[in-house]
Amino acid sequence: QKEVEQDPGPLSVPEGAIVSLNCTYSNSAFQYFMWYRQYSRKGPELLMYTYSSGNKEDGRFTAQVDKSSKYISLFIRDSQPSDSATYLCAMKRSYQKVTFGIGTKLQVIP
Amino acid sequence: KAGVTQTPRYLIKTRGQQVTLSCSPISGHRSVSWYQQTPGQGLQFLFEYFSETQRNKGNFPGRFSGRQFSNSRSEMNVSTLELGDSALYLCASSLAGAGTEAFFGQGTRLTVV
Repeated sequence: QKEVEQDPGPLSVPEGAIVSLNCTYSNSAFQYFMWYRQYSRKGPELLMYTYSSGNKEDGRFTAQVDKSSKYISLFIRDSQPSDSATYLCAMKRSYQKVTFGIGTKLQVIP
Repeated sequence: KAGVTQTPRYLIKTRGQQVTLSCSPISGHRSVSWYQQTPGQGLQFLFEYFSETQRNKGNFPGRFSGRQFSNSRSEMNVSTLELGDSALYLCASSLAGAGTEAFFGQGTRLTVV
């Protein structure tokens, strides 16, 4: 079993929809949780970064962490075609390596 | 502020050869991590360097090695290349605190033929 599980998709939604992306993990020691966006042939770009449980909002993006369920989510409101990319969840312990999910490929259809 | 710079962007090598990839971190960042990305395995951690010392290491064979220089620039070397080493190699830099964010370069796409 992988430490971080993420559905690879692809996930297709119409423009303007609310997108929900999720990851589960098995290591309860993870403290820092991140979401990256990766466009084709580019490096991952940090979208959201949270410490421990709770919600964090940044524009159209909301990240949620539920440590009791070992479950993290990223919500994208009013999705745009430019949001079409692969979204990677990631998590780490202090001073340790970052562990990534496989990534979910999202397509927002105009 | 300049981002993470990786060179070269593309490489084609033959089986058995060796290759060296370079990464220049964001100014002031002292930690550099390397990852291999393939469609089937996703992002796999290779190693992390901080202040010229390897701080963390992933589960890759000894053919994969790295180093970091006093200016925080890092190089990664792969010897005796295999077809399965074809991948996107990504470098990420961070300030090196306990949980500081990692910022990625554009990657080097290595093709082994």
